[in-house]
Amino acid sequence: TQLLEQSPQFLSIQEGENLTVYCNSSSVFSSLQWYRQEPGEGPVLLVTVVTGGEVKKLKRLTFQFGDARKDSSLHITAAQPGDTGLYLCAGTNSDSTSGTYKYIFGTGTRLKVLA
Amino acid sequence: DTEVTQTPKHLVMGMTNKKSLKCEQHMGHRAMYWYKQKAKKPPELMFVYSYEKLSINESVPSRFSPECPNSSLLNLHLHALQPEDSALYLCASSPGPRGKTNYGYTFGSGTRLTVV
Repeated sequence: TQLLEQSPQFLSIQEGENLTVYCNSSSVFSSLQWYRQEPGEGPVLLVTVVTGGEVKKLKRLTFQFGDARKDSSLHITAAQPGDTGLYLCAGTNSDSTSGTYKYIFGTGTRLKVLA
Repeated sequence: DTEVTQTPKHLVMGMTNKKSLKCEQHMGHRAMYWYKQKAKKPPELMFVYSYEKLSINESVPSRFSPECPNSSLLNLHLHALQPEDSALYLCASSPGPRGKTNYGYTFGSGTRLTVV
């Protein structure tokens, strides 16, 4: 069972357009991260959100953690070709069976920004 | 130093070969991880080392053998791999073991492994 579903799976847009990527779950997460991964490279951490309702900005990127800490969004303003890559959300979730904490990656959103 | 360094960047090996992947970090992180990533998929956890001890093995076949010689180094020994093991192998580290509060991982650039 995939706990973190991202949408859309793929997105191809023109330079200058705005876009939003969603990361949804039915479970509560104590923290959530967003990463960007370029082909042939490892994921690079963009942001961590911890508090429900928290909004963080990183230049043209705006990250929001849902009030109930079950979902998050990433909004990019005026996308540029350099934003192209695989965007992954990831979060820490308590395993109900073992009581241990698991780190779950989302299903991923592949973004292509055309010049 | 805020990086995780992985070597080699690319590796082609036969099914009877033995090879090793190496990972190094000098950030003082006490948790290190091996992930496997297939094309267009999110990373899948393989192993977790916490304070140089193996804490999690996600039912990985024994042809993959991890080793943590010290707090800065993590190796993945490969033997008798199959073509379906071809993937990007990622090493990551974090300040401490997985717990309720997690501020994310630092990933290396990965080793692109091809098994022929």
